[in-house]
Order: sequence, then structure tokens, then C-alpha cells
Amino acid sequence: DAGVIQSPRHEVTEMGQEVTLRCKLISGHNSLFWYRQTMMRGLELLIYFNNNVPIDDSGMPEDRFSAKMPNASFSTLKIQPSEPRDSAVYFCASSFPRDTFSAFFGQGTRLTVV
Amino acid sequence: KNEVEQSPQNLTAQEGEFITINCSYSVGISALHWLQQHPGGGIVSLFMLSSGKKKHGRLIATINIQEKHSSLHITASHPRDSAVYICAVGYGGATNKLIFGTGTLLAVQP
Repeated sequence: DAGVIQSPRHEVTEMGQEVTLRCKLISGHNSLFWYRQTMMRGLELLIYFNNNVPIDDSGMPEDRFSAKMPNASFSTLKIQPSEPRDSAVYFCASSFPRDTFSAFFGQGTRLTVV
Repeated sequence: KNEVEQSPQNLTAQEGEFITINCSYSVGISALHWLQQHPGGGIVSLFMLSSGKKKHGRLIATINIQEKHSSLHITASHPRDSAVYICAVGYGGATNKLIFGTGTLLAVQP
């Protein structure tokens, strides 16, 4: 298995544009997490899914952010419209069911909004 | 007050030194994770533990549930150990959420 795969690795966009980040889970994992990392706030959990269902989205900063999991192996995080303060590295991670939890992280997407 | 606190925030060591990074938490947890983030940005999970001690190569992680404290030790440190080390606590129930510490930036000089 190639691990958790994120795309793109780098994204530069203009303020106001829509940005979509993608994540492919490890086969067999059923939990999916989106994290954001900034210098000021470190790593923060944005949202997580169990079995394709969003369980907790309390970390999503505002309505401009949305996440979907259309199937068991894929997820998207969308920002519309993007703002410069959204610039960060966005990680997704997947895991097995809770009794054998371990975190497998993707390489991250570095987003720059200018 | 942060729910997960790490110390020190920055650490510089000479090659070969024994290194300790500490993590204290205030929430009830199901497991504690130690993660390593290299300058390139990728995050690797080093350990997941809920009691006792685990060892992998030159890395040792311990946890004291009663004291809500964990330590990560690196023996015979090497410049390639230079990275940010992040403590994260998971709390279970129906969830696998992680709360992260702010990380410890380790620089091992040759």
C-alpha cells in the first residue's frame, strides 16, 4: 500500500478562488481526519469521518470550509472563497477502527493564498 | 491552558547525547502518540502507547497514566534525528480525535 496520498502537494491560488484538496485513504481504514498546521496554532483537527460519515466538524473554521467523503477511500476538503489566512499545510490522516487506532498521515498540501 | 503541553519547545544537543522530551496532558485519554515531523514536512507516527513503555531502536517512549505524563527519549542522538517531535493524545469513546502539543524542535549538531 502506498500510504495516505494527498494532492496536490503544493497549491498557490489567488484570494477568492475555490481550492480543493484531495486525500486517498489507506485501504481498509475507516476513519479519516483533516488537519491544518500553521506556525501560530500548530496542528489542529478540522473534521473527521467514521465510515464516510462526518462525526465532528467543530474544528472547521467557518462556512467557507467543507469536506466530503464520497466513498470509503477518498475525501476532499474545499475552501470557497479562499482567503490569505487560510494559508497553511493541510494534512489528512486515516486509521483503523478505534480499538486498533494508529495514525497514518499523508505528506500534506501546502496551500498559499495570495 | 493547553490540554497538551510539551517541553522543551526547542532543544539543541550534541551528537551522541541522551535526549528527553516531555509531554503533559490534562484530559482523560485512550492513547498517546509521539509523532516526528521532518523539515520536509511529512509526519511519521513513532509510537502509540496507553501504558508502560515502548522501545524502537534508539527511541524509547514511556507513559505514566496517573501523572498524565509521557516522555520520549532518544539515545545516542544523531543529526538525522533533527526534527519536530509532537505529542498527541487521543480520546476514545466513539471517536479517535487527537489533540496535539505544540511540538519540540530538536537540532542535533555533529
